[in-house]
Amino acid sequence: EVQLVESGGGLVQPGGSLRLSCAVSGYTFSNNAMTWVRQAPGKGLEWVATILLDGSSKFYLGSVKDRFFISRDNSKNTLFLQMNTLRAEDTAIYYCVTGHWLDYWGQGTLVTVSS
Amino acid sequence: DVVMTQSPLSLPVTLGQPASISCRSSQSLVDSNGNTCFHWFQQRPGQSPRRLIYRVSNRDSGVPDRFSGSGSGTDFTLKISRVEAEDVGVYYCMQCTHWPPITFGQGTRLEIK
Repeated sequence: EVQLVESGGGLVQPGGSLRLSCAVSGYTFSNNAMTWVRQAPGKGLEWVATILLDGSSKFYLGSVKDRFFISRDNSKNTLFLQMNTLRAEDTAIYYCVTGHWLDYWGQGTLVTVSS
Repeated sequence: DVVMTQSPLSLPVTLGQPASISCRSSQSLVDSNGNTCFHWFQQRPGQSPRRLIYRVSNRDSGVPDRFSGSGSGTDFTLKISRVEAEDVGVYYCMQCTHWPPITFGQGTRLEIK
């Protein structure tokens, strides 16, 4: 069974930083791209970033480029999202998702940016 | 960026009746190899999204056969042959042919009348 478990969310002030993690099991992590998708409260789904299997290529939503950084540790089957200079509009549930076809989803971790 | 437009945005349906959701893209989703990267997702209340249909018309494992996907180019449809109570939720279409960025439709909220 494929499991994705996100952690690292919480309340942070505008301008602050957070690092999200996603532990993946039951999946060939190192052979696949990984993606972060977010969902603001009461809103729809928004793609944030994707990293290819070896970490050499990374792609970002325009509004998070140069503030968010996706990375992975294939030896630990773990995906990360470093989020800097956070804004109120970054408030959302952040989902860790397999591939760029979005096969499997985690339960999400809530990030709240507020003073 | 490719814009995905769903209709309707709200869909009240009687139990046992069919339902249909449309998704239109701002440009063709057929790539240079003739492939179409287009999927449907379901998000039940309080749950994470899950993929229902991949590459236009292929059901994911465990998805009931009352769900079907069709379409090509810029026009796609998700059909539920007979709506059941567990189908309540929000349905999203998504394209990954022209990425980045991957883009989603606004979502269609299905409710029971």
